[in-house]
Amino acid sequence: AQSVTQLDSQVPVFEEAPVELRCNYSSSVSVYLFWYVQYPNQGLQLLLKYLSGSTLVESINGFEAEFNKSQTSFHLRKPSVHISDTAEYFCAVDSGGSYIPTFGRGTSLIVHP
Amino acid sequence: DTAVSQTPKYLVTQMGNDKSIKCEQNLGHDTMYWYKQDSKKFLKIMFSYNNKELIINETVPNRFSPKSPDKAHLNLHINSLELGDSAVYFCASSQWLRGYNSPLHFGNGTRLTVT
Repeated sequence: AQSVTQLDSQVPVFEEAPVELRCNYSSSVSVYLFWYVQYPNQGLQLLLKYLSGSTLVESINGFEAEFNKSQTSFHLRKPSVHISDTAEYFCAVDSGGSYIPTFGRGTSLIVHP
Repeated sequence: DTAVSQTPKYLVTQMGNDKSIKCEQNLGHDTMYWYKQDSKKFLKIMFSYNNKELIINETVPNRFSPKSPDKAHLNLHINSLELGDSAVYFCASSQWLRGYNSPLHFGNGTRLTVT
């Protein structure tokens, strides 16, 4: 079985401050990990992914996430957020094989001016 | 060009009616999904099709019936709509790649309101 826990349902932060959105997963096999972002009234879009290799992965808009196998975590970070980063963020795990991706409950990032 | 397109975008209907939501993907993917997102943003998998065959059918009332006429289309028909069916329904697609699914591509959702 596989599961994902996003510990924070809502994260308020001021513009230009750093932010971390937490994600922990559970799986009995190797995993592939993803972060998706959902802007208001839109579908989810892939933000970044970890498949193998370097444990630190980056997106084109300044977000990064680090795969930590010992802590079964894949936290998302950004050193300085913008108003436009306000959105819902979903962590997802895929154990491959016969599994389909499982999504966390989402974290609402609210960036205040 | 929209990769995953759903129609309609909004659907308002009365209890007891039957409605359909259509989904098409032009990415050449072999797997398609329907997800339901509730008012708290929780995403729940409903169905998954691989090469037109049903592979996942989560605990969903049998009033919901998916149909996949070909690999590029996955439609969702809902009979006898109930108030609790009000939600945003997302279609998504992915490609099976040597042991895992590629990242999902989502449509923009269909907001269903049952009155």
